[in-house]
Amino acid sequence: DAGVTQSPTHLIKTRGQQVTLRCSPISGHKSVSWYQQVLGQGPQFIFQYYEKEERGRGNFPDRFSARQFPNYSSELNVNALLLGDSALYLCASSLGGTGFTGYTFGSGTRLTVV
Amino acid sequence: RKEVEQDPGPFNVPEGATVAFNCTYSNSASQSFFWYRQDCRKEPKLLMSVYSSGNEDGRFTAQLNRASQYISLLIRDSKLSDSATYLCVVDNQAGTALIFGKGTTLSVSS
Repeated sequence: DAGVTQSPTHLIKTRGQQVTLRCSPISGHKSVSWYQQVLGQGPQFIFQYYEKEERGRGNFPDRFSARQFPNYSSELNVNALLLGDSALYLCASSLGGTGFTGYTFGSGTRLTVV
Repeated sequence: RKEVEQDPGPFNVPEGATVAFNCTYSNSASQSFFWYRQDCRKEPKLLMSVYSSGNEDGRFTAQLNRASQYISLLIRDSKLSDSATYLCVVDNQAGTALIFGKGTTLSVSS
């Protein structure tokens, strides 16, 4: 079975640009969460989506947005990129909206903002 | 106070050593507790869940003390392959997200 897949794996963008990151959850998983991991830090929660609705939001500016599609895949959008947005962006999928049954991370998208 | 605080690293130990990692968390409402392992430039992977009664998985033992909001991980007979960053993780109050510590890096040498 395929795990959590994220695309692209690597990305270089210029300050001020916009970026869209994509995530496909494990088959049967209905919840997708996004995390940002800056070098030397632990992952930090950005969003959780369950059944296409936002269920949780971390302490990130409005430049960050996300959505979940009917097939449970998800996109994370970041507008007006800053150098500080350079990070590994991780997607995690799980079975339900609460709890962490089967919580699995994808291999991430490494974003570099120059 | 940070939500999850871990021992500063790195820990450099020889093969066969026993090493212990400690962690404290600030949210007394947290219900789920984990240790994750992260290899360099890879995604975090669940090492083990942590229960109040303590739990063991081979060479790894995890303990939770809810009263003092303290979590520990003990690795016995360290292997070269144990070299990684170990992340202490708790859930948020809503149970919708994981809160990670900064991680502690372990380097096991021969």
